[in-house]
Amino acid sequence: KAGVTQTPRYLIKTRGQQVTLSCSPISGHRSVSWYQQTPGQGLQFLFEYFSETQRNKGNFPGRFSGRQFSNSRSEMNVSTLELGDSALYLCASSSGFNEKLFFGSGTQLSVL
Amino acid sequence: GENVEQHPSTLSVQEGDSAVIKCTYSDSASNYFPWYKQELGKRPQLIIDIRSNVGEKKDQRIAVTLNKTAKHFSLHITETQPEDSAVYFCAASTDGATNKLIFGTGTLLAIQP
Repeated sequence: KAGVTQTPRYLIKTRGQQVTLSCSPISGHRSVSWYQQTPGQGLQFLFEYFSETQRNKGNFPGRFSGRQFSNSRSEMNVSTLELGDSALYLCASSSGFNEKLFFGSGTQLSVL
Repeated sequence: GENVEQHPSTLSVQEGDSAVIKCTYSDSASNYFPWYKQELGKRPQLIIDIRSNVGEKKDQRIAVTLNKTAKHFSLHITETQPEDSAVYFCAASTDGATNKLIFGTGTLLAIQP
């Protein structure tokens, strides 16, 4: 089985721009979660989707949004980028709730 | 609020010795506790997990213990090897209806040859 796939691997943007990141979960997994990883704040939960519905949301501003498609693939969008948005964005998939979470390799976003 | 504290932040052990990393969680409703290993530039990988109805779980050289009363859980690695060098993260679930995990701040484990 293929693992969690995230694209692109690297992104460089400037302040004020917007960005869309993509995640394809493990086949059969319907839950997709997004996390932000930074050296200072560690791994922080952004949101989770299950069957195209947002199940939970972390403490991030409204500039961070996401969605999930009928094939379980998910995208997250960050609008009006700020320097502090520079981070590794990790996607994780799971077969259900309170089950093992498998991470993708992440998208490294740099905001200049 | 929900919080997971992890100690130590760095740990250096001699090859062959044991390593122990400890975490404390705040939400008494947490019932799932995974541990992830992240090598430099790579994805976090699940190495072991434990649920609240179990006190201990072992997988070869790795073991996890859970004390629900004290809200502590620990990772034990025995007979450490150079390939164990990585950052280790503990995490705790927040509720059974989602997959939201609260992560500890990580432990950089260095195995000295």
